[in-house]
Amino acid sequence: DADVTQTPRNRITKTGKRIMLECSQTKGHDRMYWYRQDPGLGLRLIYYSFDVKDINKGEISDGYSVSRQAQAKFSLSLESAIPNQTALYFCATSDRASGQGRETQYFGPGTRLLVL
Amino acid sequence: DAKTTQPNSMESNEEEPVHLPCNHSTISGTDYIHWYRQLPSQGPEYVIHGLTSNVNNRMASLAIAEDRKSSTLILHRATLRDAAVYYCILRPTRLAGGTSYGKLTFGQGTILTVHP
Repeated sequence: DADVTQTPRNRITKTGKRIMLECSQTKGHDRMYWYRQDPGLGLRLIYYSFDVKDINKGEISDGYSVSRQAQAKFSLSLESAIPNQTALYFCATSDRASGQGRETQYFGPGTRLLVL
Repeated sequence: DAKTTQPNSMESNEEEPVHLPCNHSTISGTDYIHWYRQLPSQGPEYVIHGLTSNVNNRMASLAIAEDRKSSTLILHRATLRDAAVYYCILRPTRLAGGTSYGKLTFGQGTILTVHP
């Protein structure tokens, strides 16, 4: 079984709809991240969470919110989806215990979102 | 954050070595150099990281210039499965009293094409 899973894998929604993307991990990591990727661009960080009570905005958090329901679960919500939020979304985890700077991230398979 | 510069694309033949360069002239003394890759339709995957000394693992080698202003990811024998986008990323360590570290900043990366 995959260590980092994302649901759904693909989603089509309409402008103005609320949508939630979910991420679960079995790696026991304390840190989780949400990124988006657009064609021709690298990954950009939306939100990250160092533990259940520590959530931080990334570089492009506007229009998004997150919830860290448990150490293993981190959800990303689009309260009112708009077409320019059409992108590939990735969840990632990392382990603080691995040490600052040396810390590596493990990514899920991605969710492909299309907002019409 | 310090920036990295990579060639947009490179090509290689199967079973030949590949040297993927990365320039990071503004790197700080405590930044780790990480490499990730993203295969088509998959999430990014950690490859290797280092600080000052050259590093080897089962996937690749990392050669770091003595002044640390550049590094090279070396794939010793490229396979078709190595065709991917390769990202060179600097990972800052914790600032005193701050929580600014943690995120990975992905640039454009290098698209590696491997020919049979």
